[in-house]
Amino acid sequence: EIVLTQSPATLSLSPGERATLSCRASQSVSTYLVWYQQKPGQAPRLLIYDASNRATGIPARFIGSGSGTDFTLTISSLEPEDFAVYYCQQRSNWPPLTFGGGTKVEIK
Amino acid sequence: EVQLVESGGGLVQPGGSLRLSCPASGFTFSTYSMNWVRQTPGKGLEWVSYISSSSSIIYYADSVKGRFTTSRDNAKNSLYLQMNSLRAEDTAVYYCARNFLGSGGMIDYWGQGTLVTVSS
Repeated sequence: EIVLTQSPATLSLSPGERATLSCRASQSVSTYLVWYQQKPGQAPRLLIYDASNRATGIPARFIGSGSGTDFTLTISSLEPEDFAVYYCQQRSNWPPLTFGGGTKVEIK
Repeated sequence: EVQLVESGGGLVQPGGSLRLSCPASGFTFSTYSMNWVRQTPGKGLEWVSYISSSSSIIYYADSVKGRFTTSRDNAKNSLYLQMNSLRAEDTAVYYCARNFLGSGGMIDYWGQGTLVTVSS
């Protein structure tokens, strides 16, 4: 089973700042890495698929990068609606699909 | 508009059973593979099960294998999760989730979830 480790657990930033979230895989997942956003009381929402492709309707400030075992989600300039929990998920070697533990982006 | 609406959650005693349902609308259900994913209150996401569009392939997480059964009825546009021998650690919000067409393991739509609580 591929283990995904996200860091940091919590990121405290102000609107307008850049957010950099990390996801590290226990073995290579090529570019089969997905990012989701989840707000309180809501279901997750697809943001980025295959490491760097934005899903339909996702703003350009969300940038995914990486390959192999190291991936980054960058939010170039935080908007108030971006404060949420972000999860990475691998679909390279499954079952099982596996998720990271999440990074909470909170308002400083 | 894609809609996935889970139902059937609730409070059940350890060892009990529940059946979750997820009627789908807004897309051609029979052409999409589906998943169940759960989320422990206040914690992260755990994949539970996958079913292909024709039900020919079904996968389970080791934690539920032998206790949970996933099925679908394409005529009724519905996904199901039969949960038996429930344990306290099965307490979670259960999401019905659609895979991106032709792409295994990439979830593009999620339902709002139904809470299952296993407690005496």
